[in-house]
Amino acid sequence: NAGVMQNPRHLVRRRGQEARLRCSPMKGHSHVYWYRQLPEEGLKFMVYLQKENIIDESGMPKERFSAEFPKEGPSILRIQQVVRGDSAAYFCASSKQENTEAFFGQGTRLTVV
Amino acid sequence: AQSVTQLDSQVPVFEEAPVELRCNYSSSVSVYLFWYVQYPNQGLQLLLKYLSGSTLVKGINGFEAEFNKSQTSFHLRKPSVHISDTAEYFCAVSPRTGNQFYFGTGTSLTVIP
Repeated sequence: NAGVMQNPRHLVRRRGQEARLRCSPMKGHSHVYWYRQLPEEGLKFMVYLQKENIIDESGMPKERFSAEFPKEGPSILRIQQVVRGDSAAYFCASSKQENTEAFFGQGTRLTVV
Repeated sequence: AQSVTQLDSQVPVFEEAPVELRCNYSSSVSVYLFWYVQYPNQGLQLLLKYLSGSTLVKGINGFEAEFNKSQTSFHLRKPSVHISDTAEYFCAVSPRTGNQFYFGTGTSLTVIP
C-alpha cells in the first residue's frame, strides 16, 4: 500500500508564476490536509478537504491560494503569482477517518526565485 | 481554540542516555494527541498516538509518552537514545470533534556520539 505521494519533490518558480502541488492520498483515505512549514517553524495548517469538498480553509491566505480534491485524481494546492515569501515546504497528509491519524507525504519544497 | 507548546527547541543528548521531549497543550475540548518524527528532507512519520484508554502509550523505535490530563501534557520519552534518533520531533493535538491537527514548533533532538 503506497503512502501519501506528493509531487514534485522540489519546485522552483520565478516570482509571478504559478505553482501547482499535487498530493495523492493513501488508498482508501478520503480526508486530505495541507500544511506549510517555514524554516525554524512548525507546521501551519492550511486547508482540509474531503472528496470534492473544502471542509476547512481557515489557514489559507485569502488571495492567490486555492485547493481542490476532485472526485478523480489527486488533490491540488495552487499558488498563483508566487512571491518570495511563498518559499517553504508544503506537506500533504491523508486520513481514513477524520482526525484519528494523519499520514504525511514527503513534501514539496517550493523555492521562489 | 487549541495550541501546542514545545518548550525546548533544541535538545542535545549523549548516545545511550535517556531523553524527555516536553509537550504541553491548551484546549477547551477533549483532544487526541500525537507525536511525529521528521528526518531531514523527509515527511512526518507517526511515532505514537493517544486516542483513549491507558495514559501510557508506547510507540515505534522504543519511544513512549504519557498523557497527563491535569497538567495538559504529553511528554515523549526514551530510556536510551541512538544516533539514528537525531531528528525533529513534533507534538500535535486534534480535537475529538474537530478536523484539524495542531502542531507545535518542533524539538530538534541531536544525539551526540
